[in-house]
Amino acid sequence: GQNIDQPTEMTATEGAIVQINCTYQTSGFNGLFWYQQHAGEAPTFLSYNVLDGLEEKGRFSSFLSRSKGYSYLLLKELQMKDSASYLCAVASGGSYIPTFGRGTSLIVHP
Amino acid sequence: DTEVTQTPKHLVMGMTNKKSLKCEQHMGHRAMYWYKQKAKKPPELMFVYSYEKLSINESVPSRFSPECPNSSLLNLHLHALQPEDSALYLCASSQEGGLAPETQYFGPGTRLLVL
Repeated sequence: GQNIDQPTEMTATEGAIVQINCTYQTSGFNGLFWYQQHAGEAPTFLSYNVLDGLEEKGRFSSFLSRSKGYSYLLLKELQMKDSASYLCAVASGGSYIPTFGRGTSLIVHP
Repeated sequence: DTEVTQTPKHLVMGMTNKKSLKCEQHMGHRAMYWYKQKAKKPPELMFVYSYEKLSINESVPSRFSPECPNSSLLNLHLHALQPEDSALYLCASSQEGGLAPETQYFGPGTRLLVL
């Protein structure tokens, strides 16, 4: 099985930078996904990491350290619309179907 | 077209009712998924269809019955549900069904309330 841990809630100010951490324990690691989910809406894909290092995509970056079982999602130049739940999800075993963590609810204040 | 559609958006049903949730995608994806999501919880995988065949059933009670009439459509038939089955039911699709790294595309979900 998998054990995925991320903070329940975070708050940040518009224009700032926030880092959402995710730790996991699994065997047969096949990659880590980040999804964004606004309240009452479908999750949308943000990033996929399978190798160590930082992947940058516009205002969003995702980092992975396989040896530490650790990832973070970095959001820069925060906007009010970034208020959402951010789900860390890990694929393992013989499959690339991810198992989702509980999600981190990010609240962006003006 | 990168859209997964689901109907209905909202559904209220009694414990003796029979209803169906529908999902459709026209991206040529060969894998489709049903997830259940309770409030403030992560999506939990229920079923996976790959190439129109049921490939994963995560020990879901038989009161939930999936059906994949063709590669674009996925149904979830509901019968004799319990109030604790009230949740957001999400459909997703992907290219191959977990055999390679790939993005899942989610529909907006059906919010189900069982009375």
